[in-house]
Amino acid sequence: SQTIHQWPATLVQPVGSPLSLECTVEGTSNPNLYWYRQAAGRGLQLLFYSVGIGQISSEVPQNLSASRPQDRQFILSSKKLLLSDSGFYLCAWKGRRSPNEAFFGQGTRLTVV
Amino acid sequence: QKEVEQDPGPLSVPEGAIVSLNCTYSNSAFQYFMWYRQYSRKGPELLMYTYSSGNKEDGRFTAQVDKSSKYISLFIRDSQPSDSATYLCAMTTDSWGKLQFGAGTQVVVTP
Repeated sequence: SQTIHQWPATLVQPVGSPLSLECTVEGTSNPNLYWYRQAAGRGLQLLFYSVGIGQISSEVPQNLSASRPQDRQFILSSKKLLLSDSGFYLCAWKGRRSPNEAFFGQGTRLTVV
Repeated sequence: QKEVEQDPGPLSVPEGAIVSLNCTYSNSAFQYFMWYRQYSRKGPELLMYTYSSGNKEDGRFTAQVDKSSKYISLFIRDSQPSDSATYLCAMTTDSWGKLQFGAGTQVVVTP
């Protein structure tokens, strides 16, 4: 069966510090991968998506970047965090056999102080 | 105007009642519709997936899509305290899963 791992679960970082969140998927190959951010009381905002290694599309201009160094690994990064980067970050994947069903990781709650 | 509108609630119901949730949308190109359940501090979990218009039933859950009215619904029968969560609707126009989400409705089922 397919599983998605996302870590860390919770993170508190000072303003101006770097960020690296990692997501890996097991049990499938060549998935589409997504990073979402969820603000309190709001829906999920798509940040980045990737259809293959090294292929990244950005949805929202911001202080963040994403990379996909391996088929089932997706990384969200920032060189210098802002207070506004605080939120709940979710990684998701979609497989070729279920083209419209996205499955989510457990999320990382980031607080920038 | 947001592409997907969803009442944030909270919606409080007694145990055993029917929970009725809905979303409206503005983009007539949406074809694929999903409902996710999200417990506090957890990632969303896919509950129901429906293509185009019609009804789909899975246990206590029924999803309805009315494309002519741009309106989707989720019904939970015989609600349980364990159904207390935030329910998010999501929809997409295309096959690679770029989803548009509603804001989510918080549901509280009281014993």
